[in-house]
Amino acid sequence: DAGVIQSPRHEVTEMGQEVTLRCKPISGHNSLFWYRQTMMRGLELLIYFNNNVPIDDSGMPEDRFSAKMPNASFSTLKIQPSEPRDSAVYFCASSGTGRNQPQHFGDGTRLSIL
Amino acid sequence: QKEVEQNSGPLSVPEGAIASLNCTYSDRGSQSFFWYRQYSGKSPELIMSIYSNGDKEDGRFTAQLNKASQYVSLLIRDSQPSDSATYLCAVISGANNLFFGTGTRLTVIP
Repeated sequence: DAGVIQSPRHEVTEMGQEVTLRCKPISGHNSLFWYRQTMMRGLELLIYFNNNVPIDDSGMPEDRFSAKMPNASFSTLKIQPSEPRDSAVYFCASSGTGRNQPQHFGDGTRLSIL
Repeated sequence: QKEVEQNSGPLSVPEGAIASLNCTYSDRGSQSFFWYRQYSGKSPELIMSIYSNGDKEDGRFTAQLNKASQYVSLLIRDSQPSDSATYLCAVISGANNLFFGTGTRLTVIP
């Protein structure tokens, strides 16, 4: 089985530019999570979807961040406009149906905003 | 108070020794507990899950859960240099939300 697939693996762009991160969850998983990881703050949950519906976006830092899940096999996290403090590794994870299911992570996108 | 607390380390043990990683959590109603291993520059990888009080063994890894004390630990027997990584404790709490600790960095010295 393919795991969670994220793209791009690395992104370097100038501040003010729009950044779009992509994620394909594991087939059959109905929950999808976006995380941000930095040395200072560790792993932070930004938003999660259940059956393509956003359930909790309280971790989204501000209006510059938005996430969508148009179907069960694809999600995007967009930052517009990007700022240097957004530099981090962004992980997507998915989990199966039912409560108490572990999450499986993609390889992450390392984002650098200059 | 954070949902999940871990000692950030670093924790250093000699090769062949037992490494003990500890985690406490705040929500007494939590039912599911996980340990993830994260190598530098890589994504977190699930290595253990535990749902009931007591010990759960998988190879060289043993997870221990004590719900009364709100404490979960991971023991790594016969530690190897390849075990050097950051270990993240994660707890499902509330409405199926997974909370991560900040991780403990383990170094196994050859």
